[in-house]
Amino acid sequence: ETGVTQSPTHLIKTRGQQVTLRCSSQSGHNTVSWYQQALGQGPQFIFQYYREEENGRGNFPPRFSGLQFPNYSSELNVNALELDDSALYLCASSLVGGSITGELFFGEGSRLTVL
Amino acid sequence: AQTVTQSQPEMSVQEAETVTLSCTYDTSESDYYLFWYKQPPSRQMILVIRQEAYKQQNATENRFSVNFQKAAKSFSLKISDSQLGDAAMYFCAYRSASGAGNMLTFGGGTRLMVKP
Repeated sequence: ETGVTQSPTHLIKTRGQQVTLRCSSQSGHNTVSWYQQALGQGPQFIFQYYREEENGRGNFPPRFSGLQFPNYSSELNVNALELDDSALYLCASSLVGGSITGELFFGEGSRLTVL
Repeated sequence: AQTVTQSQPEMSVQEAETVTLSCTYDTSESDYYLFWYKQPPSRQMILVIRQEAYKQQNATENRFSVNFQKAAKSFSLKISDSQLGDAAMYFCAYRSASGAGNMLTFGGGTRLMVKP
């Protein structure tokens, strides 16, 4: 059973560019969520995907968007990058169904630096 | 909206001693879950312990236990027999029993240092 894997681990972009971050969920998990963790702060919820549809969103603008694929892997896309987007982006997966909301399993994150 | 507050940015403990990390939260809901996560330098969030709000009994996982005071909206983590490997950032988190299942609200974290 593989864990949650994210790529790339580190990347540098310039202001105004676009970035795509990728996440492979833990085997058997059908729900993925993304978090932004600025330096020295706790993670903030961006959004969640369940069965390829967004079903929960935090206080982030529309230039943050995502996808979930049939194999439950996921992408986070950020357009028109701003300096404040510099952060660690964490992906987490879980199994959700019926009355069950299982434990979240996190990846090691993608560190984005915007110059 | 729910908020989670960790008032101790840094804590230090001697190896083999006991330390308590504090967490308070604000919510109008009656049904929810509370968590403590550990984030070592590897950056991966690891679940330490979980508490269901409807359970009066405090959760325990080996050397880790919580003091859950629902009326006071307090959720502290006690680490007994501290080990060097316990050194990390610790985050308290809240999850509603309804809504997006994976939506956690995190506190700002407490950095725990363990002295040999």
